[in-house]
Amino acid sequence: SAVISQKPSRDICQRGTSLTIQCQVDSQVTMMFWYRQQPGQSLTLIATANQGSEATYESGFVIDKFPISRPNLTFSTLTVSNMSPEDSSIYLCSVVQESYNEQFFGPGTRLTVL
Amino acid sequence: GQQLNQSPQSMFIQEGEDVSMNCTSSSIFNTWLWYKQDPGEGPVLLIALYKAGELTSNGRLTAQFGITRKDSFLNISASIPSDVGIYFCAGHLNTGTASKLTFGTGTRLQVTL
Repeated sequence: SAVISQKPSRDICQRGTSLTIQCQVDSQVTMMFWYRQQPGQSLTLIATANQGSEATYESGFVIDKFPISRPNLTFSTLTVSNMSPEDSSIYLCSVVQESYNEQFFGPGTRLTVL
Repeated sequence: GQQLNQSPQSMFIQEGEDVSMNCTSSSIFNTWLWYKQDPGEGPVLLIALYKAGELTSNGRLTAQFGITRKDSFLNISASIPSDVGIYFCAGHLNTGTASKLTFGTGTRLQVTL
């Protein structure tokens, strides 16, 4: 399976600021995704990061709040903009490699907004 | 949208006992996946199921893809302390133009010695 790393692993941020999370994969992957996991909850898909084009966002998530970049097949960033305490969550990068139906996750970025 | 109901929500079992959890969906899936998440970590893929009726094992883990394609179960035999964590089922539906994984609500497993 692909090895996925995320930076930072955790951060504490002030309300109104923005944080960019990086996701790096050790091999080229067909698809990359960003998920949010609120405390004690399951995982919710934010968007699909498309290489060379705008990300595809799920209902309830918008580009202005969660801009995403994917400049190549091994790297993506997610920015959480104008943060509020409600944005405190774990943000997870996920990839699909080879087989279209097996999906792997990074270690997550634990964000706390004060 | 699609929803996955996972049960039980939590379980307390003794070391050595067998565990069973299941997921049901209102819609069909092409693939069922089972993940385990430890505190402070991302989910780790345990088992992937690709065909209706398929029964797959991975060590002490056994999972089945329901015949109706709307459900799946995961069994853990002879539980050990390191089995503690949250288990998520996930259904995958690839429509050709979109690929989306829908997660269950999770089962929190606690193992006592």
